[in-house]
Amino acid sequence: AQSVSQHNHHVILSEAASLELGCNYSYGGTVNLFWYVQYPGQHLQLLLKYFSGDPLVKGIKGFEAEFIKSKFSFNLRKPSVQWSDTAEYFCAVRDSNSGYALNFGKGTSLLVTP
Amino acid sequence: DAGITQSPRHKVTETGTPVTLRCHQTENHRYMYWYRQDPGHGLRLIHYSYGVKDTDKGEVSDGYSVSRSKTEDFLLTLESATSSQTSVYFCAISGGLQDTQYFGPGTRLTVL
Repeated sequence: AQSVSQHNHHVILSEAASLELGCNYSYGGTVNLFWYVQYPGQHLQLLLKYFSGDPLVKGIKGFEAEFIKSKFSFNLRKPSVQWSDTAEYFCAVRDSNSGYALNFGKGTSLLVTP
Repeated sequence: DAGITQSPRHKVTETGTPVTLRCHQTENHRYMYWYRQDPGHGLRLIHYSYGVKDTDKGEVSDGYSVSRSKTEDFLLTLESATSSQTSVYFCAISGGLQDTQYFGPGTRLTVL
C-alpha cells in the first residue's frame, strides 16, 4: 500500500519566518496526495491536494506544495508564517486498495512564536 | 464544512464494556471511514464502508466492528473496550476517487 513519511515531527518558528515541511511518498505510480491541518482541539481540514497536472499546488491560507515525482516528495511551504498557523500538519496519500482511504504520515507539530 | 456529526463527542467508559460511536452525514456520500488518532501515529484506518451494508477492514481493525444500514449512518462498535482503545476517533466521508475526504469533529474516548 502507498505510504508517506514526514521528516519533521516538531518545528518551532518565529512569526514571518518561512516554512517548509517535508513529505515523501513510497509509491512510484499514480498518486493522490494531500496536506491536512489540525488546529488545537479541532478536526482535520484540507489545506491542498494534488491529483494531476500542475505540480505546484496552491491551497488555502497562503500554503502551497510542490509535487516532485523524481524525488517522491510533496513538501508543504509557506513564505511567511503567522501565530495562527500553530497546528499539526499531516501529509496523506490515497490508498486505492482500501476504498480510497488515506494513509497518513505521523504529523508535524508546528509552533509559531510571536 | 461538510455535514458530518459524531456522537458522543466525549465518552469515558470502563474496560470490558461495549461502546458504540455514531457518525452521521448529510452529504449522501458513498464512502465513509473510521480512523483513530494517537500521538506519534497520525491517523490510522480502522474500517471503511463503500456503500450500505458494504464494509471492510482497515489497518487497525482488531477489537472493532462496524455497521452501515443507511447511507447517512456509520457505526463503530467496540465490543469489549480495552485501555489500548483510548483514543480520538474521527469519521470521514468521501464521494470517491476524485473527491476530497472530509472529517468529522471527532470523539474522544477514554477507557479506564
